[in-house]
Amino acid sequence: QKEVEQNSGPLSVPEGAIASLNCTYSDRGSQSFFWYRQYSGKSPELIMFIYSNGDKEDGRFTAQLNKASQYVSLLIRDSQPSDSATYLCAVVSNKLIFGAGTRLAVHP
Amino acid sequence: SAVISQKPSRDICQRGTSLTIQCQVDSQVTMMFWYRQQPGQSLTLIATANQGSEATYESGFVIDKFPISRPNLTFSTLTVSNMSPEDSSIYLCSVESSQRREMNTEAFFGQGTRLTVV
Repeated sequence: QKEVEQNSGPLSVPEGAIASLNCTYSDRGSQSFFWYRQYSGKSPELIMFIYSNGDKEDGRFTAQLNKASQYVSLLIRDSQPSDSATYLCAVVSNKLIFGAGTRLAVHP
Repeated sequence: SAVISQKPSRDICQRGTSLTIQCQVDSQVTMMFWYRQQPGQSLTLIATANQGSEATYESGFVIDKFPISRPNLTFSTLTVSNMSPEDSSIYLCSVESSQRREMNTEAFFGQGTRLTVV
């Protein structure tokens, strides 16, 4: 079992819709959870972090964490073509571990 | 935030040769991290470069293949030695916003080095 799992996609959504990106992790002791966005040919950049169960909102982005289910998600409201990228889930156990990423395509 | 300059941005190398990747940070940091990102796969940590001591390598990575230097608190190099086509990948250096890896510690990345071995 991979330590951090994501569906590779592509996830295709129309402009203006909600994109839902999911991630599961294997280490129940993980404390911090991150979502990074990576445009093609670019480095990852941090979008959000979360470490408490529940929801955390920042603009169009909402991160959701459920430690009992070992599940973290990212919702993007009012998706824009500029949101098209690969989204990497990352988890801190004793080191930072990345998922393989989900490719999101927002079409006009 | 941290600004990281990494070079070269890309290279095409012959098998059997070595390539050294440089990483310069605009502030002093205790730890620098080297990752590999193969197509369609996770960022995988190669090693942690500590100033004043030897690098700490992750399982599956060895110093003979990926020697690392860390001469000061703002600079590190990663060498990919005796390259084969399987080493074709993107290599990224990284630093973290907190040296204690607190809950909201953010990782910053260099621009990456896209390596193709032919």
